[in-house]
Amino acid sequence: QEKVQQSPESLIVPEGAMSSLNCTFSNSASQSIWWYQQHPGKGPEALISIFSNGNKKEGRLTVYLNRASLHVSLHIRDSQPSDSAVYLCAVSIGGGSNYKLTFGKGTLLTVTP
Amino acid sequence: EAAVTQSPRNKVAVTGGKVTLSCNQTNNHNNMYWYRQDTGHGLRLIHYSYGAGSTEKGDIPDGYKASRPSQENFSLILELATPSQTSVYFCASGDNQAPLFGEGTRLSVL
Repeated sequence: QEKVQQSPESLIVPEGAMSSLNCTFSNSASQSIWWYQQHPGKGPEALISIFSNGNKKEGRLTVYLNRASLHVSLHIRDSQPSDSAVYLCAVSIGGGSNYKLTFGKGTLLTVTP
Repeated sequence: EAAVTQSPRNKVAVTGGKVTLSCNQTNNHNNMYWYRQDTGHGLRLIHYSYGAGSTEKGDIPDGYKASRPSQENFSLILELATPSQTSVYFCASGDNQAPLFGEGTRLSVL
């Protein structure tokens, strides 16, 4: 069974700073890695995904994937109070009718004004 | 607009009672999922389905049944609810992409 570990458990950054979140996974055959954002009382919402080694940038978000070290990170540039939420790392396994996501426990990000 | 709708949003049940959580999606997705979310455990997969009439066991299926009577609807059934099943339950749908989640059902079993 795939294992997904996230760190830190919680992170507090001032407005305008860079937020950096980490995730490690156990299966090198894992396909895409997804980052979700979850606000209190809401369902998770997909933010960004990555499949290939290297980095991917979308707006203020950058994701880095290193398959050799089974590590992926999410960086939020110019963090805003509205970015305060739980961030979930999810790893996809299988495809077609067997497509499933395994989630980490999340990182609680708090951005202070 | 793509949507996943769960009902009820909140439910209080008694130990030993039967509980049915419902999920409807308008995205024409084949795959649908039921997760539960608990502090300290994150999101864990209970059951999933890859089309009408199919249900598959996820990572923590014990104590739960699922039903997929149509492409749009996927239900989670607790035949004999226990306090350990108190949790927030999320339904999701998606095919080979990031599943789209509903708003969740908060279930308390007393």
